[in-house]
Amino acid sequence: AQSVTQPDIHITVSEGASLELRCNYSYGATPYLFWYVQSPGQGLQLLLKYFSGDTLVQGIKGFEAEFKRSQSSFNLRKPSVHWSDAAEYFCAVGARSNDYKLSFGAGTTVTVRA
Amino acid sequence: GAGVSQSPSNKVTEKGKDVELRCDPISGHTALYWYRQSLGQGLEFLIYFQGNSAPDKSGLPSDRFSAERTGGSVSTLTIQRTQQEDSAVYLCASSLRTSGYEQYFGPGTRLTVT
Repeated sequence: AQSVTQPDIHITVSEGASLELRCNYSYGATPYLFWYVQSPGQGLQLLLKYFSGDTLVQGIKGFEAEFKRSQSSFNLRKPSVHWSDAAEYFCAVGARSNDYKLSFGAGTTVTVRA
Repeated sequence: GAGVSQSPSNKVTEKGKDVELRCDPISGHTALYWYRQSLGQGLEFLIYFQGNSAPDKSGLPSDRFSAERTGGSVSTLTIQRTQQEDSAVYLCASSLRTSGYEQYFGPGTRLTVT
């Protein structure tokens, strides 16, 4: 079964600074990979996804993520954060042999300071 | 268009009582998922419905949990004889097709068992 690790529980970043959130997965093959964002009191919103092809994936709100097979990682980045990026971010993995169940990491809470 | 809706948004119940949580998926979405999000945890898959197929109940934590989906649309998650460890946010998601993985999430129901 696949699993996901998000090593950072909480990250604080200054507005305008860059942001990188780490995600490592465990799976025997190349999985489907996702990043979701959850604002307080809101459901999860899909930021971006990787299925195949170009390992650098562009998403909404200026986010991008890079799939690195050798490191089993799918880190999320944003060059310049905005105060509205304060939220909880979840990395998720789906197995190609089973195309509906997603396994989620525990999440990383991002705080943006002025 | 309308997104996934869930009701109630908050539910406080006494230990031992039964509760019903409702999910209205996006119109036309054939797949519907329930997840549980406990404090400080990622999302835990509970159950999945796809069209008229038998649901995948493999994520339900005990036989106190059940779910149904009527007419291929609205779903109800029922927890019988609630326990304090059932306190969590219950999230519902729907997708247009299972292979798409693009699950659209509702805002969740926060369940507190006292």
